[in-house]
Amino acid sequence: SQTIHQWPATLVQPVGSPLSLECTVEGTSNPNLYWYRQAAGRGLQLLFYSVGIGQISSEVPQNLSASRPQDRQFILSSKKLLLSDSGFYLCAYTQGAYNTGELFFGEGSRLTVL
Amino acid sequence: AQSVAQPEDQVNVAEGNPLTVKCTYSVSGNPYLFWYVQYPNRGLQFLLKYITGDNLVKGSYGFEAEFNKSQTSFHLKKPSALVSDSALYFCAVILTAGQNFVFGPGTRLSVLP
Repeated sequence: SQTIHQWPATLVQPVGSPLSLECTVEGTSNPNLYWYRQAAGRGLQLLFYSVGIGQISSEVPQNLSASRPQDRQFILSSKKLLLSDSGFYLCAYTQGAYNTGELFFGEGSRLTVL
Repeated sequence: AQSVAQPEDQVNVAEGNPLTVKCTYSVSGNPYLFWYVQYPNRGLQFLLKYITGDNLVKGSYGFEAEFNKSQTSFHLKKPSALVSDSALYFCAVILTAGQNFVFGPGTRLSVLP
């Protein structure tokens, strides 16, 4: 079966500190991978997506970056966090082979920047 | 450009009553349409989808949705609401599998006991 893991679940970081959020997918090969941010428990903003190893597309210019070092691993990073980076970050994937269209989400990482 | 509207920020319904959460979309072509639910501090969970075929699709937890091409709508419904249905609901659209999703802004459903 397919699963998606995302960690850490909760993170409190000072302004100016670095960030690394990790996401891994099991049970499917060559997935499309996504990072979303959700502010104030509302709408979703697509930050990055990846269709393969080393292939990253950015939807919104900002203080964050993403990397895909392995087929089923997606990392969200920042060198120096800003207060505005606080939010709920969601990793998601669609299947590579036999894609039936659905987007599957991880449980999220809540980041608070102080 | 594709867009999804959920005209109601908040929907309140009494337990046991039918519920409807509205969604309209704007795309050029034949869309894939989805509903997701999000409970507090959790990721989004897939409820149901429409790709082709019968306009009425049934999904998880007793939810269903009706695709109406002429009205470009895909409203989510349930015949009898439960308090546990209280959550944030998102409608989404894509044109083909693998395309980036376009999400609506979300509708908060509160089912009152």
